[in-house]
Amino acid sequence: KAGVTQTPRYLIKTRGQQVTLSCSPISGHRSVSWYQQTPGQGLQFLFEYFSETQRNKGNFPGRFSGRQFSNSRSEMNVSTLELGDSALYLCASSATSSPDTQYFGPGTRLTVL
Amino acid sequence: GQQLNQSPQSMFIQEGEDVSMNCTSSSIFNTWLWYKQEPGEGPVLLIALYKAGELTSNGRLTAQFGITRKDSFLNISASIPSDVGIYFCAGDGGTSYGKLTFGQGTILTVHP
Repeated sequence: KAGVTQTPRYLIKTRGQQVTLSCSPISGHRSVSWYQQTPGQGLQFLFEYFSETQRNKGNFPGRFSGRQFSNSRSEMNVSTLELGDSALYLCASSATSSPDTQYFGPGTRLTVL
Repeated sequence: GQQLNQSPQSMFIQEGEDVSMNCTSSSIFNTWLWYKQEPGEGPVLLIALYKAGELTSNGRLTAQFGITRKDSFLNISASIPSDVGIYFCAGDGGTSYGKLTFGQGTILTVHP
């Protein structure tokens, strides 16, 4: 089975711009979670989607948003980028029957200049 | 909120030595997971634990879900250079969809 894929792998943006990141979960997985990883804060939960519905959201500003499509692929969007948004953005997928055993993609490295 | 304390923060060991790291939580978890992350990559799942007291092995790795459900440990036996990386524990409290709480990570360096 193919693993979780994320595109693009690297992005460089400037402050004020917006960005969209994409995640394709493992085939058959319907839950997709997004995390932000920084050296200072570690891995922080952004949100989770299941069957196109956001079921959970972490403590991030409204500039961070996401969506999920009917094929379970997910996107996250960050608007009005700030320098502090520079991070590795990870998505993870899990099967509905699994108690949150999450499998991660390689991540998208976002640099905001 | 839930917090995980992972220790040690870093370890420098010789090839062939055994390694032990652990995580403790202020809250009960229903699931404990251990991941390894290498530079530029996402975390890779090593071991998943679903029941208090459970002891599970994956090759040279052994992990246990604490009886109190507030702690877990990971042991690596006979370390090799490719064990280098950052090891994370993660817990699922069962009350928050899709959210894992992560420890701060243990940086493992193995000298040949």
